Amino acid sequence: DAGVIQSPRHEVTEMGQEVTLRCKPISGHNSLFWYRQTMMRGLELLIYFNNNVPIDDSGMPEDRFSAKMPNASFSTLKIQPSEPRDSAVYFCASSLRTGPNIQYFGAGTRLSVL
Amino acid sequence: DQQVKQNSPSLSVQEGRISILNCDYTNSMFDYFLWYKKYPAEGPTFLISISSIKDKNEDGRFTVFLNKSAKHLSLHIVPSQPGDSAVYFCAASDYNQGGKLIFGQGTELSVKP
Repeated sequence: DAGVIQSPRHEVTEMGQEVTLRCKPISGHNSLFWYRQTMMRGLELLIYFNNNVPIDDSGMPEDRFSAKMPNASFSTLKIQPSEPRDSAVYFCASSLRTGPNIQYFGAGTRLSVL
Repeated sequence: DQQVKQNSPSLSVQEGRISILNCDYTNSMFDYFLWYKKYPAEGPTFLISISSIKDKNEDGRFTVFLNKSAKHLSLHIVPSQPGDSAVYFCAASDYNQGGKLIFGQGTELSVKP
């Protein structure tokens, strides 16, 4: 299995532009998570889905952030409009919601908003 | 409200010696605890886990100890190797919270040759 695949690996954009991050979870996994990592706040959970349904989006910082999971093999995290304070590394993870609920992470997308 | 805390931001040990990484938590409903390792420019990778009904789990050089009365767990790496140098995250899971993980802030381990 190729693991969790995120694209792009790096994104540089200008303030005010729309940014879309993509994630392909591990086949067969039924939970998907979006995280953001910053120096100040560490690794914070933004939103997660169970069986393609959003369960908890309380970590989404503002209405500028939205996430979708149209099917079991694809999810997007969109920021519109982007701001410099959104600059961070964004991780996607997937898991089978059993036992220790081990989450497998993608390599991340490093976002820089100028 | 930090439910999972790693109070040591960094740790330096000599190759071959033991590394001990610590983690404290506040929520007694957590049912699993996990350790992740993260190298720069990569995502966190799962290392080892322990159920709340156990007090020890071992996997090769890695052992996790759980003290429920103290709400404390630790990861022991013996012997430490330079390739173990990374950031280590402690995480806790509460099945009733939908399976999400609560992560600590991480401890950066440096193993010197």
